[in-house]
Amino acid sequence: AQKITQTQPGMFVQEKEAVTLDCTYDTSDPSYGLFWYKQPSSGEMIFLIYQGSYDQQNATEGRYSLNFQKARKSANLVISASQLGDSAMYFCAMRPLEDNDMRFGAGTRLTVKP
Amino acid sequence: DTEVTQTPKHLVMGMTNKKSLKCEQHMGHRAMYWYKQKAKKPPELMFVYSYEKLSINESVPSRFSPECPNSSLLNLHLHALQPEDSALYLCASSHPKERANTGELFFGEGSRLTVL
Repeated sequence: AQKITQTQPGMFVQEKEAVTLDCTYDTSDPSYGLFWYKQPSSGEMIFLIYQGSYDQQNATEGRYSLNFQKARKSANLVISASQLGDSAMYFCAMRPLEDNDMRFGAGTRLTVKP
Repeated sequence: DTEVTQTPKHLVMGMTNKKSLKCEQHMGHRAMYWYKQKAKKPPELMFVYSYEKLSINESVPSRFSPECPNSSLLNLHLHALQPEDSALYLCASSHPKERANTGELFFGEGSRLTVL
């Protein structure tokens, strides 16, 4: 089974600055997808960005980018130009492409300071 | 607005009650999921249905009974729960692995369950 590790329980960032949230993973599956989700205090899980294990380029979606280093098994989320509304829990997740089994890391609570 | 609808949003039940959580999606997804999330913890996978058949059961106690009556609906039947079962229950859907492009899960807003 896959394992996802997020070592930062909490992070603080100043408004308008960039922040990197760390995620490492371990899997024996040859092909897999990596995901980041945002969970505000309201509880809904919001999909942010996806990276496939065979993708050559790092994924980007607006202010979100994924720093994918396959050899290091890391998939860090970079949020540029932080906004107050970015304050939330952020979860890294992984799913083997040959399975419907999606697992989540422990999460990082991001607080954006004005 | 989420395209996965969960009802009820809040549920309070006693340990002897029988209740059900419901989930509905109309995105044509053929994989549906139940997750349990305790406060300040990540979602924990409980069950996955693929093409209306149970494909993953994470050794969940039998007091939780899932049901997928058709491709749009997913239920979670609750009976004789314990106070430690109090949590946010999240439903999600996705294209199954055979049709997945990226395979992201679309989540409902969750049902917050309190067991007294």
